[in-house]
Amino acid sequence: NAGVTQTPKFQVLKTGQSMTLQCAQDMNHEYMSWYRQDPGMGLRLIHYSVGAGITDQGEVPNGYNVSRSTTEDFPLRLLSAAPSQTSVYFCASSYTSGTGELFFGEGSRLTVL
Amino acid sequence: DAKTTQPPSMDCAEGRAANLPCNHSTISGNEYVYWYRQIHSQGPQYIIHGLKNNETNEMASLIITEDRKSSTLILPHATLRDTAVYYCIVRARPTNDYKLSFGAGTTVTVRA
Repeated sequence: NAGVTQTPKFQVLKTGQSMTLQCAQDMNHEYMSWYRQDPGMGLRLIHYSVGAGITDQGEVPNGYNVSRSTTEDFPLRLLSAAPSQTSVYFCASSYTSGTGELFFGEGSRLTVL
Repeated sequence: DAKTTQPPSMDCAEGRAANLPCNHSTISGNEYVYWYRQIHSQGPQYIIHGLKNNETNEMASLIITEDRKSSTLILPHATLRDTAVYYCIVRARPTNDYKLSFGAGTTVTVRA
């Protein structure tokens, strides 16, 4: 059981470049979300989804796009990377009922020069 | 979701119990207390959750005060591998509000 898989684990971008962080889960979870974590800080919610075709903004959505075409995948797109987006990104998923515990991926470390 | 307040850091001796406090004075009746931990830049890991009764699992115990305004996570026999950032959050379950964010948490250092 792979759980939540994020790719790539590391990425370096130049300002203005675009890229997509991939997140896939094999637990049939309805809820998926993206967080960013800056040094010494907690996790801040970027975007989330409660099912295929449904997405919504979190606390810090500016500069990021998401889509949810399947239950399994929830990619995060940076259309024009900025140095302020240098961070560690975590994807998480859960059922929308039951215990509600979140399962996290191992993170994607992004540096924007 | 209600706000939580945790001490920024604490030390614990290996083999001793670690008691991690969390204040959530504005918690509402349908909100649960959840604890997660994050070991050195890994993805956070679920530990335990509770509503009003004390809870115990293989990882930890959760003690919630009778007025539910605070709680304590207990790691009964801390090991060096328990060194991590511990997050206390409250959320309603089931919920239509999924805007769940984590504060800075408590950095726990277990010393030999």
